[in-house]
Amino acid sequence: QKEVEQDPGPLSVPEGAIVSLNCTYSNSAFQYFMWYRQYSRKGPELLMYTYSSGNKEDGRFTAQVDKSSKYISLFIRDSQPSDSATYLCARNDNAGNMLTFGGGTRLMVKP
Amino acid sequence: NAGVTQTPKFQVLKTGQSMTLQCAQDMNHNSMYWYRQDPGMGLRLIYYSASEGTTDKGEVPNGYNVSRLNKREFSLRLESAAPSQTSVYFCASSEVKDTEAFFGQGTRLTVV
Repeated sequence: QKEVEQDPGPLSVPEGAIVSLNCTYSNSAFQYFMWYRQYSRKGPELLMYTYSSGNKEDGRFTAQVDKSSKYISLFIRDSQPSDSATYLCARNDNAGNMLTFGGGTRLMVKP
Repeated sequence: NAGVTQTPKFQVLKTGQSMTLQCAQDMNHNSMYWYRQDPGMGLRLIYYSASEGTTDKGEVPNGYNVSRLNKREFSLRLESAAPSQTSVYFCASSEVKDTEAFFGQGTRLTVV
């Protein structure tokens, strides 16, 4: 079992929809969680970085961590075609373990 | 705003050939990483350098070597390329080990 699991998708939604992207992890020691966005044929770029439980909001994006369920979510409001990309979650436990990525979820927002 | 720069962007090798992938960052980051990305496998860490002068194996180090040339540069070498090394390779850097990483644009390597 991978330490960080994501549904690979693709997830297809109409423009304007609310998107929910999810990640599960297996090690409760994880403390830092990140979401990266990767456009086709580009390198991943950091979207959001969150620490511990709770929500973090940045414009149309909200990252949510539920440590009791070991569940990480990224919500995108008012989705746009430009949000079409692969979204990767990553974790770090800041205890000498390596930053580990999930396999990514491919999102397609149709106009 | 160069960030992380990788060269080359594309490469085709024959089985058994060697090559070095170059990476440089201009953000004064201490830690640098090499990942490979394969369909369905996500990003897997090959090697990393937590700070200048140190390197360590990641999840999939076999068939690769690295050199942290100085604080800016971290190279990845394939001594004898194999078709299983066909992949997209990403270099990344972070201020300290395993905090948010910044990625280069990738090198698409095909081994035939």
